[in-house]
Amino acid sequence: GAGVSQSPRYKVAKRGQDVALRCDPISGHVSLFWYQQALGQGPEFLTYFQNEAQLDKSGLPSDRFFAERPEGSVSTLKIQRTQQEDSAVYLCASSSSGGKPYEQYFGPGTRLTVT
Amino acid sequence: GQNIDQPTEMTATEGAIVQINCTYQTSGFNGLFWYQQHAGEAPTFLSYNVLDGLEEKGRFSSFLSRSKGYSYLLLKELQMKDSASYLCAVRALESGAGSYQLTFGKGTKLSVIP
Repeated sequence: GAGVSQSPRYKVAKRGQDVALRCDPISGHVSLFWYQQALGQGPEFLTYFQNEAQLDKSGLPSDRFFAERPEGSVSTLKIQRTQQEDSAVYLCASSSSGGKPYEQYFGPGTRLTVT
Repeated sequence: GQNIDQPTEMTATEGAIVQINCTYQTSGFNGLFWYQQHAGEAPTFLSYNVLDGLEEKGRFSSFLSRSKGYSYLLLKELQMKDSASYLCAVRALESGAGSYQLTFGKGTKLSVIP
C-alpha cells in the first residue's frame, strides 16, 4: 500500500523567502509528526498532530515555523523568511491509533537548501 | 531532558556480526526504538523494546536494560545492503499533550566491507 509521501522532494530557497512543505500520511493514521534532520545528525522533533489538533509544538525552533493539518489528513509545514540555518531534511511521520501505535512510518523527506 | 549516545561510525565485514550500542538518559521512559536509514532515504522501523530483554527479528535483535539506560542492536550475517545509519530513539513518558515524539541519537554509520 501507499506509504507516507512528501513534496517537494527538494527545495532551494533564497534567504528570506517563504516555503511550504507538504506531507500526505498513510490513510487513516491519526498521529502525524514533523522532524528536522541536519546533515549527519538524527531527526529532531518539531511538532505533533492528533487528527487536526496540534497537541505539541515544543520543537518548533522559532515563530517563523508554522504547521497545520486542517482536515486531519494532509499536513503543511511552513517556514517564513527562511534563513541558512533552516537548511535540512524535513521528515514527516505518521502512526495509527490501533495496531502498533508505537511504530512511526517516515516519508522520504524534503531536502531544503537555503542560499 | 534526554541524552542519547551511540558511536558515530563502525565498520564490519560481510558475513560477520556487529553490535551497535546506545546509552540514554531520560526523565521518563516509554520505549526504545531502532531505525535504519540509508543515505538520502527515510528511516525505517527495525525494533521496539519497552521491557528488559532481547527481541529477535530475523537477522536483527535488540536488547534493553532499563536500569542501566542501555540498549544494543545486533546484526548477524551482515550483508552489503546493511551499510546504513542506525538510529537509536527513545520515547519519553507521555507529556500532558499526549505526544509520542521520539528523541533520536545522532546515528551510527555502519559500513559493511567485503
